[in-house]
Amino acid sequence: SQQGEEDPQALSIQEGENATMNCSYKTSINNLQWYRQNSGRGLVHLILIRSNEREKHSGRLRVTLDTSKKSSSLLITASRAADTASYFCATDHSVRGSNYKLTFGKGTLLTVNP
Amino acid sequence: DADVTQTPRNRITKTGKRIMLECSQTKGHDRMYWYRQDPGLGLRLIYYSFDVKDINKGEISDGYSVSRQAQAKFSLSLESAIPNQTALYFCATSDFRGWGTDTQYFGPGTRLTVL
Repeated sequence: SQQGEEDPQALSIQEGENATMNCSYKTSINNLQWYRQNSGRGLVHLILIRSNEREKHSGRLRVTLDTSKKSSSLLITASRAADTASYFCATDHSVRGSNYKLTFGKGTLLTVNP
Repeated sequence: DADVTQTPRNRITKTGKRIMLECSQTKGHDRMYWYRQDPGLGLRLIYYSFDVKDINKGEISDGYSVSRQAQAKFSLSLESAIPNQTALYFCATSDFRGWGTDTQYFGPGTRLTVL
């Protein structure tokens, strides 16, 4: 399967701590994206990193990409209770001119305790 | 995202019934998608459409059909619902800015239960 796999499946931390989630994939990508899902709601796009980028920042989010290891990490700094959600990585394996493929992993459930 | 709406939000139906889930968007995006989410399995793509005349099967299209009535509307049908189609269904749109740059915008989801 080309599906991204997040690790860990669940993570529980205290407010103010940093949270790190990882994503691994199997075949080459065009980009890798991270999404957040609050319980039972639609996914919200957080950040996209292209295959030729190594690191990207957005507010308290830091994403790294290591294409040689086929892995990415999402770091949330100074976490807040409102960050409690499931986080998904999604990988774009599409080939120009062929069918579009954006494949989601199974997610990491992050719980931030007040 | 209020720009992508799904109806109904919840539906309980019986095995063998035909059911339609509707998705509307005001974002002006050409690309639309239907996913289902099952506990522990992440999101799986059912169908996607790059424009009104371009509809494609995803990884789990069996038992489903779609209709793209207009740029803004994309409907998913279950012709004869079965219990293992019980899931959370999401519609999404994307703003294509060039190959390899799509980000997706999701609706609030429809929780479907097939008894």
